[in-house]
Amino acid sequence: GNSVTQMEGPVTLSEEAFLTINCTYTATGYPSLFWYVQYPGEGLQLLLKATKADDKGSNKGFEATYRKETTSFHLEKGSVQVSDSAVYFCALSPGGTGRRALTFGSGTRLQVQP
Amino acid sequence: NAGVTQTPKFQVLKTGQSMTLQCAQDMNHEYMSWYRQDPGMGLRLIHYSVGAGITDQGEVPNGYNVSRSTTEDFPLRLLSAAPSQTSVYFCASRTSRDADYGYTFGSGTRLTVV
Repeated sequence: GNSVTQMEGPVTLSEEAFLTINCTYTATGYPSLFWYVQYPGEGLQLLLKATKADDKGSNKGFEATYRKETTSFHLEKGSVQVSDSAVYFCALSPGGTGRRALTFGSGTRLQVQP
Repeated sequence: NAGVTQTPKFQVLKTGQSMTLQCAQDMNHEYMSWYRQDPGMGLRLIHYSVGAGITDQGEVPNGYNVSRSTTEDFPLRLLSAAPSQTSVYFCASRTSRDADYGYTFGSGTRLTVV
């Protein structure tokens, strides 16, 4: 079946530090990949996505590249801010014509200190 | 504002009680899903629907029922609440016209079963 593995948190960084959150996946075919962010007390928001190999998704300074050869979709940001403190979820939507519901990783909590 | 509305935001139930978690969206989305979020486990799919009158089970359907009589509404019913169902529940929807379009999530219902 499909699965997503994320690095465990919490990840604690100082403001303006470089961020990497690792995500690897297992899926048949050609899934689409997503990063969602959850701020305290809120629902999940789509942060970025990539739908085919070598695509780069980007939004709000965050980037992730769909690497089929390593089955990875690592999230990066060059300079984090306190306002980036949240839980980040990597997710996949399987390819093909079957069910398109999302499979999520366990989430990674990011804490950014001033 | 367009989006996914979940009610109630908080609920405490006694073991054995039943209740319905409401979910409504006003974006004319065909696909709707229910997830539960538990610490360290990410989000797990309970049930999903690809349109009015069509539902199917997800990863953890036991103890939950759903129906989809209209495009807008997708209620989740707990038949006989158990402490293991203590969780945060999220409803999500997306259009069927773009298979890689991200889901829109509600703000969640925090359920405690005592």
